[in-house]
Order: sequence, then C-alpha cells, then structure tokens
Amino acid sequence: AQSVAQPEDQVNVAEGNPLTVKCTYSVSGNPYLFWYVQYPNRGLQFLLKYITGDNLVKGSYGFEAEFNKSQTSFHLKKPSALVSDSALYFCASLYGGSQGNLIFGKGTKLSVKP
Amino acid sequence: KAGVTQTPRYLIKTRGQQVTLSCSPISGHRSVSWYQQTPGQGLQFLFEYFSETQRNKGNFPGRFSGRQFSNSRSEMNVSTLELGDSALYLCASSLARTGVTDTQYFGPGTRLTVL
Repeated sequence: AQSVAQPEDQVNVAEGNPLTVKCTYSVSGNPYLFWYVQYPNRGLQFLLKYITGDNLVKGSYGFEAEFNKSQTSFHLKKPSALVSDSALYFCASLYGGSQGNLIFGKGTKLSVKP
Repeated sequence: KAGVTQTPRYLIKTRGQQVTLSCSPISGHRSVSWYQQTPGQGLQFLFEYFSETQRNKGNFPGRFSGRQFSNSRSEMNVSTLELGDSALYLCASSLARTGVTDTQYFGPGTRLTVL
C-alpha cells in the first residue's frame, strides 16, 4: 500500500540550531514528494517539492529537503532554526502520476525554543 | 492579488443533512483541489478539478462530490452527513494544468461541525 510516514510526532530544537523533520515514503513508481507547513491560524502553505532532478531541493523560508531513493526518505532540513519556524509540518507523496492521489503523513509538530 | 477564499468559514449541521462548501481560487488559477483535515485521519486528498473536469479523486465515498464552474470557482458537496465528516475542509488553487504537482495556494478552510 502507498504510504507516507513521519516517525516523529514532535521535534524540539533550540533557536539557531539545525533542524531535521523526517519523512519516509512507500509508493510505487517514481515518487513526487512535497512538504507543507501549517502555521497556527495561518492555514496550510506549500514549502517545496521534488519531482525529478537534483536530490537536494530548496524551498521557501530557507528550508531544503533531500531526496534519498535508496532509503526512500525525503527529510526536511534547515541550517539554523527560528522561533517563527514553529508549526506543523506535513510530508506528502503523489502516486499514480501527475493526476494521481496525494497522500499525507500524519504531521510533525516542530517547536523551536529561544 | 487576492488569495484563495472559502465560504462559509464555519458551519454547523446535523447528521443526515447535506452541505455545500465554496472555494474561489486565485485569479488566473484554473486548478482547484480539496482536502479534509481531521485530528484522527490527518490530511486527506478529496479531489482535484481543472477546467471544469475532475482529474483525480482520493479514497472517499460517493457522498463527497464536487464541481468546478467556468470561472474556476469550485464547490464541494457532502450528502447524508455523518459525525465523522466533522473536519476542516481546505481548498487549494494552482496555476498549471498539472494541478497538485504545481505550487498550491491554500485557503483558510471551512470548519464543518456535524452534530
């Protein structure tokens, strides 16, 4: 079955430290992978996507993600966390081609402390 | 440029009723997607429309339906409401034909409560 897993319900990071939010996927074929962020009271926002090409994808707000085919992972990273990065992060994968079904992970709550 | 707007923002219905939610995409965007967010099931994809045609659909029962108009505005309808349909319903629009693979812009959502 197609699935996306975010193994951590919550990640705690000190401001200024690097952060990683983990995501692994299990989809057939070439995956299309996405990260979204949901800030409190501000709705869901698209961060970045991997369709094809370079394994390191750069997105909004200084975030990047690394696609690792052998480990079926697509971890979200940022070199230096900000308190304002505190939010709920969702990893998603599209299977069945560009007109397929988009499936989401359960979400990881990121908390950045000053 | 105005963002994605969803109406109404909050809605309370009772079991067995039906409901229609509306989404107006960003001007010029022709792809509209719908999502359901619940504490238990998380975020789930409902369906996507482009140029008035449903292009793909998630794993939801037939009680969930949608449509898109010629001005790209979209509506989703849920018939015979169940308690489990209580959720935040999000709409997103994108510019390109590829829809969900393109950068999506989300609306604030409609909070539906079924009593």
